[in-house]
Amino acid sequence: DGGITQSPKYLFRKEGQNVTLSCEQNLNHDAMYWYRQDPGQGLRLIYYSQIVNDFQKGDIAEGYSVSREKKESFPLTVTSAQKNPTAFYLCASSIVPITGGNEQFFGPGTRLTVL
Amino acid sequence: QQQVKQSPQSLIVQKGGISIINCAYENTAFDYFPWYQQFPGKGPALLIAIRPDVSEKKEGRFTISFNKSAKQFSLHIMDSQPGDSATYFCAGAYSGAGSYQLTFGKGTKLSVIP
Repeated sequence: DGGITQSPKYLFRKEGQNVTLSCEQNLNHDAMYWYRQDPGQGLRLIYYSQIVNDFQKGDIAEGYSVSREKKESFPLTVTSAQKNPTAFYLCASSIVPITGGNEQFFGPGTRLTVL
Repeated sequence: QQQVKQSPQSLIVQKGGISIINCAYENTAFDYFPWYQQFPGKGPALLIAIRPDVSEKKEGRFTISFNKSAKQFSLHIMDSQPGDSATYFCAGAYSGAGSYQLTFGKGTKLSVIP
């Protein structure tokens, strides 16, 4: 069964704590992405990676960090510096297109709530 | 700034009717325009996509119309069904500088009533 898994589905965090969201894919995709979704705001890109050991900031990277040590895994850490972390977080992956775009496959998401 | 503006924010359609969602983009370098469908509590899934060298693409009840000169594209859902009730996102993408990023619209919540 190929796809993207995210864990946990729900996550609660106290203010001042760092938390790490897991994202794993077995689609053999080179590119992986993290998005944040807030009601009425669409999906906003946090970080993306096109190859192992390399990643780029997206539009809203402040307060977040990532690593890409393995092709299959792209964990996201929400740090205490992120002022409003409560949101739905989505991980995605795709092949790296030569020209034009290609489908991004999304995981089921992690809902993070700061208490 | 790369923006994709989507309207309406919400849409209520009777079963069997036509649902129409519109998007406008600014970045003329975009070379790929997908539509994603998202059900509550789930991740989005690709519904249909178009490249700017065609003006229309149809897959079943779903059609994208694309107007390159106006920098606009729209999703038409024919014979709308209650199972189509979901949030729909348009997006634009380009592969400049070897990167590939999707810029999403803010979404349209579609409700199809029996």
